[in-house]
Amino acid sequence: QQPVQSPQAVILREGEDAVINCSSSKALYSVHWYRQKHGEAPVFLMILLKGGEQKGHEKISASFNEKKQQSSLYLTASQLSYSGTYFCGTEGNTGNQFYFGTGTSLTVIP
Amino acid sequence: KAGVTQTPRYLIKTRGQQVTLSCSPISGHRSVSWYQQTPGQGLQFLFEYFSETQRNKGNFPGRFSGRQFSNSRSEMNVSTLELGDSALYLCASSLAPSGGAYEQYFGPGTRLTVT
Repeated sequence: QQPVQSPQAVILREGEDAVINCSSSKALYSVHWYRQKHGEAPVFLMILLKGGEQKGHEKISASFNEKKQQSSLYLTASQLSYSGTYFCGTEGNTGNQFYFGTGTSLTVIP
Repeated sequence: KAGVTQTPRYLIKTRGQQVTLSCSPISGHRSVSWYQQTPGQGLQFLFEYFSETQRNKGNFPGRFSGRQFSNSRSEMNVSTLELGDSALYLCASSLAPSGGAYEQYFGPGTRLTVT
């Protein structure tokens, strides 16, 4: 029931774009995205709900394909500050259990 | 608004001992979730409390337990500690049960080392 994230790790140069994917085997009600910098607590980025509602930071964009139970996080024109581990979290339609994925390590280099 | 606080921040215990960790959520938040974080394992869900009731429990042995008080503060307890319990324990609070339309706010974590 834990969502699967891909890629596991990615290295970018400043200004490049990246996409992080999150996939679940179960029908989803919501997908959450968080970023954790080294030695810090995870910080909320975005929520995507079944039906199309979204809320989160203006500079972050993401998509939620309800039919495929997948979500993607789009990081454009990356900055050094984007470095960290990105986690998706999912809540299923039928249950109310919330699971985080194993994370995607993103490193942005000059 | 004060953030989520966790005490203690660091703890060293010996195998077989027990430990209690504390979490104070953001004022007004009624949901508290606990996670175990180890390298390569991501955030493993332990349990969630909402209005003093355990709402969900993750796949952890019964040695892991928790509770929530009427002021929404939460504690988790680990009895008979094992070396594998060494981890960062994070708590997160939210206005309503985790998932759905409400984001979680994480505390700084308690780093537990079992020797």
